[in-house]
Amino acid sequence: GIQVEQSPPDLILQEGANSTLRCNFSDSVNNLQWFHQNPWGQLINLFYIPSGTKQNGRLSATTVATERYSLLYISSSQTTDSGVYFCAVLATDSWGKLQFGAGTQVVVTP
Amino acid sequence: NAGVMQNPRHLVRRRGQEARLRCSPMKGHSHVYWYRQLPEEGLKFMVYLQKENIIDESGMPKERFSAEFPKEGPSILRIQQVVRGDSAAYFCASSPRDVTDTQYFGPGTRLTVL
Repeated sequence: GIQVEQSPPDLILQEGANSTLRCNFSDSVNNLQWFHQNPWGQLINLFYIPSGTKQNGRLSATTVATERYSLLYISSSQTTDSGVYFCAVLATDSWGKLQFGAGTQVVVTP
Repeated sequence: NAGVMQNPRHLVRRRGQEARLRCSPMKGHSHVYWYRQLPEEGLKFMVYLQKENIIDESGMPKERFSAEFPKEGPSILRIQQVVRGDSAAYFCASSPRDVTDTQYFGPGTRLTVL
């Protein structure tokens, strides 16, 4: 099956800093989503981005499908950005089965 | 438009009991997915359902687990004779029209087996 690798596994940021999270995947995909799991365990949809670039406030994401990677940018980080960021992909030969990466644990300190 | 709803949010069961987890998809969504998150791990796909049909159950444990999405009412994930290893967060997601659409996740049900 498709492999999804996220890096770095852990990230500690000072409030106000910028960061880039990476997601590599091993095969063609129909869907790629980024999620934020907050400290209370809730999964929040950030982006649906099988290709191209999108921006939402201080967050933006870029997927280069031909090179099989996606990047999530966090600018001017805030303590509320803390949590785990997951990348999930839907392989082209998969019916509805999102394959999640292991996540990047982000801690933003005041 | 209400999001994906799951209940209960927290469920405590003793070993050997049955657990029933419910999921109501977003209005107009006909695709439902269940995922499990074991402690300190990522999310793993369990099953994909459409109304009255199981499309892909490749992630379901072979025994004790079953899922349904009836014509009327919520989707149900049923775990019979629970064991401590079933303790996890169970998330339901739904998507509108096409299997490649965005999947929207519910708040999860946290199952604790004593």
